[in-house]
Amino acid sequence: QSALTQPRSVSGSPGQSVTISCTGTSSDVGGYNYVSWYQQHPGKAPKLMIYDVSKRPSGVPDRFSGSKSGNTASLTISGLQAEDEADYYCCSYAGSYTLYVFGTGTKVTVL
Amino acid sequence: EVQLVESGGGLVQPGGSLRLSCAASGFTVSSNYMSWVRQAPGKGLEWVSVIYSGGSTYYADSVKGRFTISRDNSKNTLYLQMNSLRAEDTAVYYCARGLGAFRFDPWGQGTLVTVSS
Repeated sequence: QSALTQPRSVSGSPGQSVTISCTGTSSDVGGYNYVSWYQQHPGKAPKLMIYDVSKRPSGVPDRFSGSKSGNTASLTISGLQAEDEADYYCCSYAGSYTLYVFGTGTKVTVL
Repeated sequence: EVQLVESGGGLVQPGGSLRLSCAASGFTVSSNYMSWVRQAPGKGLEWVSVIYSGGSTYYADSVKGRFTISRDNSKNTLYLQMNSLRAEDTAVYYCARGLGAFRFDPWGQGTLVTVSS
């Protein structure tokens, strides 16, 4: 099972919006509404930001939103803030054999 | 507070074994799906293994037959027994609770495993 494809990096100025794509196949992203997104600051553990494509856990700012179209999921960060600078990973359920597959990761830089 | 604390990482020679532990607090390990996820230095996340609340276990192809996930309900602790270790197993290993089976939350702080001679 190959990793989901994400852009290596995206950047934006404070207050702007950035969108990270996560492309898979019909066996993972396209086949299930079980895409989650994780934020990871350097040297820290990942943190859940979005689950089930577009749901936000308690405590996650509503600046973070998720969506999906076909085999591609997206994470949008609106009103970019300095503390949003981090690596972001998508993850999808991939069925009862492979189970879970992560994305390649995207570094978000706040200019 | 829900918390996970990993331990047991270290330096091991190729072909060697190591057992990682993940102590949970604030929730019951046996009532949840629990996973191990690893991250090689400078690389992305890779799912390794899961144990379901019913006891079923599953593994990534890269570790199948070499790694064993288990739990001790009396200690509320998750384990990962790693045998026949290879250089490519070098990574920070995280344990994570699987909420609703399809998301990982929270994660432990991770423990570094280095496989080298």
